[in-house]
Amino acid sequence: QQPVQSPQAVILREGEDAVINCSSSKALYSVHWYRQKHGEAPVFLMILLKGGEQKGHEKISASFNEKKQQSSLYLTASQLSYSGTYFCGTPGGGGSNYKLTFGKGTLLTVNP
Amino acid sequence: NAGVTQTPKFRVLKTGQSMTLLCAQDMNHEYMYWYRQDPGMGLRLIHYSVGEGTTAKGEVPDGYNVSRLKKQNFLLGLESAAPSQTSVYFCASSYDRGSKGHTQYFGPGTRLTVL
Repeated sequence: QQPVQSPQAVILREGEDAVINCSSSKALYSVHWYRQKHGEAPVFLMILLKGGEQKGHEKISASFNEKKQQSSLYLTASQLSYSGTYFCGTPGGGGSNYKLTFGKGTLLTVNP
Repeated sequence: NAGVTQTPKFRVLKTGQSMTLLCAQDMNHEYMYWYRQDPGMGLRLIHYSVGEGTTAKGEVPDGYNVSRLKKQNFLLGLESAAPSQTSVYFCASSYDRGSKGHTQYFGPGTRLTVL
């Protein structure tokens, strides 16, 4: 089942912060985050594993709460280069953890 | 390393025509995937492969066929193209990182228009 992302879109000025949420109706063991810049391929940002850990990439960090079946991506002091669409992906259960189901994406626009 | 490459980058077809999209990866990955991306829909899995000679259906397999005769190549075929197959197609590959799961590496995409 497709994870639900919110918000669908957000517009920031350079230096502002944003939070993107990803929630699932099924039990999660991990959450993957990808960023896709306009006209380009999605690029892996980070994976959050069961255990509530936080990860970081540049000034982008994320958290994962497996009990609430949700993950949040935090973008602090945003830069123009952060603009793009952010997708969360949740792996299949059982032995199919290689298959990801992606959310519909959150379009982030950072303006000067 | 070139990573994941896709050919062609753009293609225009007429309804009923057939074509094959080629994906190649030079990272020796076991797993390969074909996705389609439509506005507001995210990435949807068409077919995937867990190793040379294997293929399986994903979320939206109808109208597509795939083959994985060589480990490094994953082909996506459209036998009789329909306007509903107008989309951007992405290929990806991954390997098993054990407890860290899989990281998928995407190709640059193929923009297909069916008239």
